[in-house]
Amino acid sequence: AQKITQTQPGMFVQEKEAVTLDCTYDTSDQSYGLFWYKQPSSGEMIFLIYQGSYDEQNATEGRYSLNFQKARKSANLVISASQLGDSAMYFCAMRGGGGYQKVTFGIGTKLQVIP
Amino acid sequence: DADVTQTPRNRITKTGKRIMLECSQTKGHDRMYWYRQDPGLGLRLIYYSFDVKDINKGEISDGYSVSRQAQAKFSLSLESAIPNQTALYFCATSDPRTGRYEQYFGPGTRLTVT
Repeated sequence: AQKITQTQPGMFVQEKEAVTLDCTYDTSDQSYGLFWYKQPSSGEMIFLIYQGSYDEQNATEGRYSLNFQKARKSANLVISASQLGDSAMYFCAMRGGGGYQKVTFGIGTKLQVIP
Repeated sequence: DADVTQTPRNRITKTGKRIMLECSQTKGHDRMYWYRQDPGLGLRLIYYSFDVKDINKGEISDGYSVSRQAQAKFSLSLESAIPNQTALYFCATSDPRTGRYEQYFGPGTRLTVT
């Protein structure tokens, strides 16, 4: 079974500061993928960043980076230079291996950026 | 135009009614999914389809059925709606050729069952 844990129900960050959203996972698969999605108040789910279990370097996409620590089974999202538009729910998700590549989502973290 | 569309965007229905939620995509992806989102529970998979002839149950399929009419269309039906099916429903697609299997979501359908 695979599991995603997000322990921060809500976070605040000052505009232009960096923020880290925590995500830990559990899986018995050797090959897996980790994702972060953003859900603004408008409701849509937006794919942000992906990290493969065999990727040696941490993934980066613009102001988003994924701090992947495989031994600790953590996949934290770092947002640099926060903007007001970053206020949203953020979901960590994991894709397992095998033919189905089951995707499991965490319960999310609500981030609020303060001017 | 959006790559993944869902209709209706909002729906209020009564207990016992049959309702269909529709999803269309122009991304050309073979894989399509239906999720529901409830506060505090994240997203849970209802059904998924890898192609027109391959449909599979997810973790919470009871009370739901699906139809994959074409590569681009995947519908979710509630045969007899009940209040605990009140939720935000998402359709999603993915392309295994990327090797990442990231999912692209529609805008969601907010369903209320009274």
